[in-house]
Amino acid sequence: AQSVSQHNHHVILSEAASLELGCNYSYGGTVNLFWYVQYPGQHLQLLLKYFSGDPLVKGIKGFEAEFIKSKFSFNLRKPSVQWSDTAEYFCAVTPYNTDKLIFGTGTRLQVFP
Amino acid sequence: DARVTQTPRHKVTEMGQEVTMRCQPILGHNTVFWYRQTMMQGLELLAYFRNRAPLDDSGMPKDRFSAEMPDATLATLKIQPSEPRDSAVYFCASGSLAGGPQETQYFGPGTRLLVL
Repeated sequence: AQSVSQHNHHVILSEAASLELGCNYSYGGTVNLFWYVQYPGQHLQLLLKYFSGDPLVKGIKGFEAEFIKSKFSFNLRKPSVQWSDTAEYFCAVTPYNTDKLIFGTGTRLQVFP
Repeated sequence: DARVTQTPRHKVTEMGQEVTMRCQPILGHNTVFWYRQTMMQGLELLAYFRNRAPLDDSGMPKDRFSAEMPDATLATLKIQPSEPRDSAVYFCASGSLAGGPQETQYFGPGTRLLVL
């Protein structure tokens, strides 16, 4: 079955530290890839997405992600986190010929001032 | 700024009562998804519609849950009778194929349901 793995369940950082959240998926074909963020008590918001083209995707709020097809990975990065980045981050995948978003279990990020 | 809207935002009810959650997709979006989020299971797809037709409801407990789209601007999710294990946040999302398979889903604020 198709699945998405986020191995970091809880990440704690100080402000200005660099961030990398891992995401791996299991699907051999073409995929669309997404990162969503959920701030405390709020709904999911799209951070960035990859459909095709340049595997390095830039999103909102200084986030970026790199699609590495050979590793089935789509890791999220930010060079310098802020306290306001405290949230839960979800990686999601849609196999190319389907409609369903398959979500990872999420990574909870806490940033301390 | 187009958004998905959901009502109610919070609902507390007693076991056995009917619960109806509503979703208004972004105007022009032809796909509507219902998700449930719990601490234990994370985000689960319950059902989704395209052009108001149900495409997949395999994630939904059939005996008590039902989802409909009476028109293009309204999607509903009903639970009857509700049980404490249904307590969760229910998200609606809408998307548009925009002429191809590349679809982005935009999420509503969710309905936080507590069944006592």
